[in-house]
Amino acid sequence: ETGVTQSPTHLIKTRGQQVTLRCSSQSGHNTVSWYQQALGQGPQFIFQYYREEENGRGNFPPRFSGLQFPNYSSELNVNALELDDSALYLCASSLAGHSYGYTFGSGTRLTVV
Amino acid sequence: GDSVTQMEGPVTLSEEAFLTINCTYTATGYPSLFWYVQYPGEGLQLLLKATKADDKGSNKGFEATYRKETTSFHLEKGSVQVSDSAVYFCALSDGNKLVFGAGTILRVKS
Repeated sequence: ETGVTQSPTHLIKTRGQQVTLRCSSQSGHNTVSWYQQALGQGPQFIFQYYREEENGRGNFPPRFSGLQFPNYSSELNVNALELDDSALYLCASSLAGHSYGYTFGSGTRLTVV
Repeated sequence: GDSVTQMEGPVTLSEEAFLTINCTYTATGYPSLFWYVQYPGEGLQLLLKATKADDKGSNKGFEATYRKETTSFHLEKGSVQVSDSAVYFCALSDGNKLVFGAGTILRVKS
């Protein structure tokens, strides 16, 4: 079975720009969660998508938004980038109702300059 | 809200030494508990988990026991290897999300 794949692996953006990160979930998984991992810190929950709808959100502003597609893949969009948005963004897929079955991707390293 | 506290690192050990990484949690309910490992340049891999009090999770020589009375889930390994060098994260389930600790860097010297 394929795991979770994320693209791109690295990205450099300028403050104020917009960025889209992509995630393909593991085969058989129908739920996608996004996490932000700042340097030297643990991952922080951004939001989760299930059945193409947002299904829970962490303490992140509305300029962080997402989509889930019928094939369960997902996008994370961040508008009006700030320097503090520089982080590793991790996508995790799971099967709804199985909270301990998360599979993480390798992440996208975003640098905002 | 729920939270996880891990011992600060880095933890530096010689090969074959005994490892303990402390983890305590605060939660209103009875969460599942996890240890994840992150190797340089990679995402998170689930190392082990425990879903109820007194459960012991184990994998690749690592163990952790869910202690409700002390709200702890300490990670142990009897004999570490250089290949165990990584960042270790303790986490709990809070509804549909995971809450992570800040991570502990482990460095194993040969």
